[in-house]
Amino acid sequence: DAGVIQSPRHEVTEMGQEVTLRCKPISGHNSLFWYRQTMMRGLELLIYFNNNVPIDDSGMPEDRFSAKMPNASFSTLKIQPSEPRDSAVYFCASSFLSSNYGYTFGSGTRLTVV
Amino acid sequence: AQKITQTQPGMFVQEKEAVTLDCTYDTSDPSYGLFWYKQPSSGEMIFLIYQGSYDQQNATEGRYSLNFQKARKSANLVISASQLGDSAMYFCAMRERGGQGGADGLTFGKGTHLIIQP
Repeated sequence: DAGVIQSPRHEVTEMGQEVTLRCKPISGHNSLFWYRQTMMRGLELLIYFNNNVPIDDSGMPEDRFSAKMPNASFSTLKIQPSEPRDSAVYFCASSFLSSNYGYTFGSGTRLTVV
Repeated sequence: AQKITQTQPGMFVQEKEAVTLDCTYDTSDPSYGLFWYKQPSSGEMIFLIYQGSYDQQNATEGRYSLNFQKARKSANLVISASQLGDSAMYFCAMRERGGQGGADGLTFGKGTHLIIQP
């Protein structure tokens, strides 16, 4: 298995632009998570899906953030409009049920908003 | 209140020594799971070890073991015979009750930056 695949690996964009981050979970995993990592706030859970259904989006910082999971093999996290304070590493992770074997993380997308 | 507390922002350890990374947690859920992840300078998150709240024995995975003290709400990671490649950030995380046929998200601590010195 190729693991959790995120794209792009790096994104530099100007303030005000729309940014879309993409994630392909491990085949067979039924839970998908979006995390944001910054020096100040550490790793924060933004939103997670079970069986493609959003379960908890209380971590989404503002209405500028939205996430979708149209099918079991694809999810997007969109920021519109982007702001410099959105600069962070965004991780996608997937898991099967209440896994005892950890949640598998993607390599992350490093977003820089200038 | 923080759900996961890692009190050691940074640690320096001599190669081949054993290392204990502290983690305390706070939950009222009787069913929970505790995880440790390693994040090297390259940035990826690597799963190390898991302990369930109902597990009777401490978890072990190779050189990693988890010192689980339920009454104290403590889940310290022990790395035996440390190696230079163990230098990384280490995160403790907790999963509380799973629901709706899937997994719940993990809550992470702030991490400990471990540096192994030759």
